[in-house]
Amino acid sequence: AQTVTQSQPEMSVQEAETVTLSCTYDTSESDYYLFWYKQPPSRQMILVIRQEAYKQQNATENRFSVNFQKAAKSFSLKISDSQLGDAAMYFCAYRTAYSGAGSYQLTFGKGTKLSVIP
Amino acid sequence: EPEVTQTPSHQVTQMGQEVILRCVPISNHLYFYWYRQILGQKVEFLVSFYNNEISEKSEIFDDQFSVERPDGSNFTLKIRSTKLEDSAMYFCASSVFGRGGYTFGSGTRLTVV
Repeated sequence: AQTVTQSQPEMSVQEAETVTLSCTYDTSESDYYLFWYKQPPSRQMILVIRQEAYKQQNATENRFSVNFQKAAKSFSLKISDSQLGDAAMYFCAYRTAYSGAGSYQLTFGKGTKLSVIP
Repeated sequence: EPEVTQTPSHQVTQMGQEVILRCVPISNHLYFYWYRQILGQKVEFLVSFYNNEISEKSEIFDDQFSVERPDGSNFTLKIRSTKLEDSAMYFCASSVFGRGGYTFGSGTRLTVV
């Protein structure tokens, strides 16, 4: 079974600065997807960024980028120019690419609570 | 942008009562999921549903839980006899392809008293 580990329960960053959230995972599969989800106080799950394991290029979405190290099974999220609205819980998640059962469920880490200091 | 709609947003129920949580996935999506998040903990997979049947379920999804897609649009999660430990946020999600991105609903907060 796959596991996802987020070793930083809480992080803080000054507004306009850059912060990196860590995520490691364990899998025996070679093809899979990795995600970062943001959960603000409203508790809605919002997709921030996703990475396909077969792509060597790191995904980027505006101020959000990832550092995907496949051999190290590491998938960190970098937030540049942090804004007050970035304050939230951030969850790293893993999903298999192939499922004979027709199920593509996500396995989540425990999350990192990010605070943004004005 | 299409949304996954969940109702109610908050439900309070007495222990031992049955509850039905409702979800309307995006209309052309084919894969449907329920997840649970106990307050302060991580999001956990409950069940996936494809082609009108359960495709996979977790060990959390015991005989107290069931899912249905009664009319081709709604997707429901039923808990037959609620326990205090069922208090959690329940998220519905759907995707058009198995390998595609998910869309989550905004969740139903279930409180069992």
